[in-house]
Amino acid sequence: AQTVTQSQPEMSVQEAETVTLSCTYDTSESDYYLFWYKQPPSRQMILVIRQEAYKQQNATENRFSVNFQKAAKSFSLKISDSQLGDAAMYFCACRTQGGSEKLVFGKGTKLTVNP
Amino acid sequence: GAVVSQHPSWVICKSGTSVKIECRSLDFQATTMFWYRQFPKQSLMLMATSNEGSKATYEQGVEKDKFLINHASLTLSTLTVTSAHPEDSSFYICSASAGAPRDYEQYFGPGTRLTVT
Repeated sequence: AQTVTQSQPEMSVQEAETVTLSCTYDTSESDYYLFWYKQPPSRQMILVIRQEAYKQQNATENRFSVNFQKAAKSFSLKISDSQLGDAAMYFCACRTQGGSEKLVFGKGTKLTVNP
Repeated sequence: GAVVSQHPSWVICKSGTSVKIECRSLDFQATTMFWYRQFPKQSLMLMATSNEGSKATYEQGVEKDKFLINHASLTLSTLTVTSAHPEDSSFYICSASAGAPRDYEQYFGPGTRLTVT
């Protein structure tokens, strides 16, 4: 069974600053994907970034990047130049490749961006 | 793109009645659809996984007779909450996957808020 742990229930950041959200996971699978999803007040789940476990290079999407430490089973999200629109719940998730395709979510981190 | 819709977005029903929520993949064929439940300030909890043309697989603790899932076509899955009670009030989210052609990516619907009075 997979587990995903987000140890920060809430985080805050000043506009234009950088913030890092933490996530650790556990899986016995060798082939898996990791994700960060954003859920704004509208509650629509939005994919922020994904990382294939077999890739050593950290994924980057504009202001969003991850620090993937496979041996430590750590997958943190860095948001640079934070904007007011980044305020949301952020969920870390893990999925094995193929098979049941089930996503396992962490409990989430509520990010507040202060102007 | 990969768009998933849900209908209705908000529904209020009386205790003891049933309510149906639809999930549609608008521009791709979804071989697998997932139904989640989310309580306020909590994470998404997977309720069941459904594959087109076959019975849904329910997660442990989810009452299959209460939450009926039908995946009759490659673009439509429905969740019916039978004999609803106030404790069934929640936010229900579906997601759809096209399987291998789209790398098993899940695309989420906008959710349905169910209030049982």
